[in-house]
Amino acid sequence: EPEVTQTPSHQVTQMGQEVILRCVPISNHLYFYWYRQILGQKVEFLVSFYNNEISEKSEIFDDQFSVERPDGSNFTLKIRSTKLEDSAMYFCASSDGQGGAGELFFGEGSRLTVL
Amino acid sequence: GQSLEQPSEVTAVEGAIVQINCTYQTSGFYGLSWYQQHDGGAPTFLSYNALDGLEETGRFSSFLSRSDSYGYLLLQELQMKDSASYFCAVVRDNYGQNFVFGPGTRLSVLP
Repeated sequence: EPEVTQTPSHQVTQMGQEVILRCVPISNHLYFYWYRQILGQKVEFLVSFYNNEISEKSEIFDDQFSVERPDGSNFTLKIRSTKLEDSAMYFCASSDGQGGAGELFFGEGSRLTVL
Repeated sequence: GQSLEQPSEVTAVEGAIVQINCTYQTSGFYGLSWYQQHDGGAPTFLSYNALDGLEETGRFSSFLSRSDSYGYLLLQELQMKDSASYFCAVVRDNYGQNFVFGPGTRLSVLP
């Protein structure tokens, strides 16, 4: 069964360092997303991406964040200068955008720990 | 703004039935989805309602009332493995492009 894959599964970094989280969405999907989840809290929307551009972003997604689809398969989230409060699980997701079937396919997540 | 409300915790025993409610206020509404998340895992899709009424999928059912901005997830014949967090999510457009998640309900199933 097709799945969304994410790497790394866990990354530890120092405050102020740059981090890149990688995702391979399901191949025929059109919409890509990043969400984050601070431990024990809800899933928070960061950004959605369609047709090689950002379609929507939340207030969390400030100038320190960027996304890119550098080739036909990868979708990356970059945090330019990490802060302690960026420590969270980051989930990549994709959807096929067919008639709003309501289903997002999530990867297993990348746990980011900022020290 | 976007606002979804769910109870924070629910506890039930094996074999019981439990209902998890979700109310929402969002700019744009196309449908309501439900996701299950086990500790340390990714959210996984359970069900989706675009129209009013009940959708049944095995032991799980989901209900939507658009006029009341309300939905619920009904879990029957509870099993220990159903212990997880359950999130409702509003689908805001008909391409399924934008999802807003509720705060989640932690379900504990006791023996």
